[in-house]
Formats: sequence, structure tokens, C-alpha cells
Amino acid sequence: EAQVTQNPRYLITVTGKKLTVTCSQNMNHEYMSWYRQDPGLGLRQIYYSMNVEVTDKGDVPEGYKVSRKEKRNFPLILESPSPNQTSLYFCASSPWTGAEAFFGQGTRLTVV
Amino acid sequence: GDSVTQMEGPVTLSEEAFLTINCTYTATGYPSLFWYVQYPGEGLQLLLKATKADDKGSNKGFEATYRKETTSFHLEKGSVQVSDSAVYFCAPRGGSNYKLTFGKGTLLTVNP
Repeated sequence: EAQVTQNPRYLITVTGKKLTVTCSQNMNHEYMSWYRQDPGLGLRQIYYSMNVEVTDKGDVPEGYKVSRKEKRNFPLILESPSPNQTSLYFCASSPWTGAEAFFGQGTRLTVV
Repeated sequence: GDSVTQMEGPVTLSEEAFLTINCTYTATGYPSLFWYVQYPGEGLQLLLKATKADDKGSNKGFEATYRKETTSFHLEKGSVQVSDSAVYFCAPRGGSNYKLTFGKGTLLTVNP
């Protein structure tokens, strides 16, 4: 089954403790991205990648890092999480830059 | 940058009522246009799309037409069902980083 898989689905952590949210897709898509969803703000892009080893900042990249060492994986790294990063995070992939995006199920992160 | 103005919710309708959710956008170039739907506790799913002017996207009784002259992509359904209760997002895709730019979302509740 074609899918985008994120882990974990839920995470509660403390300020400053490094964490990684994994994202994997099995559709051989070139384009992957991360979004955060906050009430009243919709979804905002954090980082994106057009292919292996090609990543760039989106609209809200501060406090986040990503890597794209393999085509299928695009982890989101929070090196020192803060409470303002409490949010619902979505990973998405698409076969080319103008096509529809497929979304993961989301990761609800709480930083206390 | 790109932006989306989407009808603010919440919208509450009775079953079998007619639905319109307005969406207008500003974008550089010639974006593809998408409507995504988010059911409670789930990720985003593609509802319909259109890639060029005057194209009509349709799915599950929902329709939207790409209106380049008015930069609009309004979502319509002739007869809503309780199962259509969800949050709906309008999203053009384009620009130099090919990101999806989301509206704030419209919460639709359909009562029996």
C-alpha cells in the first residue's frame, strides 16, 4: 500500500531534549516536506527537499533541522525543543513538484 | 509570497443542504490548485484538484473549477451528508519551491 509513515504519532517531551520525528514514503517520490498545523494558522511549511541531499527552508524553519540521505526518508530534528514548538506535524511527499501531495497521519508533539 | 483566503468557519448545515466554501488565492506563475480534507484525528487527504484554467476537479460529489481570471477555486457540493463533516483546506501549489500554501481551513459540521 502506498503510504507516508510518520513516527511517533504522539510525543510528550521536555524543553531542551533533542528529538527526531521520522518520515518514510514507499512511493519513490522526489519531493518531501514537513508542515506544522496550529489552530487558526492552517498548515505552514517548515522544510522541503526536492531530492536526495537537496533540502531548503520553508516558511517557519527556526528551531528545526532535516536531512535527506535516502530518497524514502526525511526526518525532522528538533535539537533543543521549546514549548512554542508544541504542534501537530505532518510529513508529505509527491512524485514531482506540481503534483498532489500525500500526507502522513501526523505527529502530535507537546513540549513542556 | 503565495497566499490563500478561505471562507472562515465554522459552517453548520443540515443533511442534503447545498455547500459552498469560497477560496481565492494569490500566486506567482501558474499554480496547480487542490482541495484537501481532514477528518477528525486524521491526516490530510486529497479531495480534488485542477491543474489549468477552466479545469473542473470533482470527487465524491464535490466540485471546484479553476478560475484564473478571478484567481478562485470555490468548493461546492449539491447535497451534503453527515459523513462530510471535516475540515476543508484550499491549497495552490507553485512558486519557486513548489510548496502547497494552505488556507486556514473551514470546519464543516453536517447535522442529521
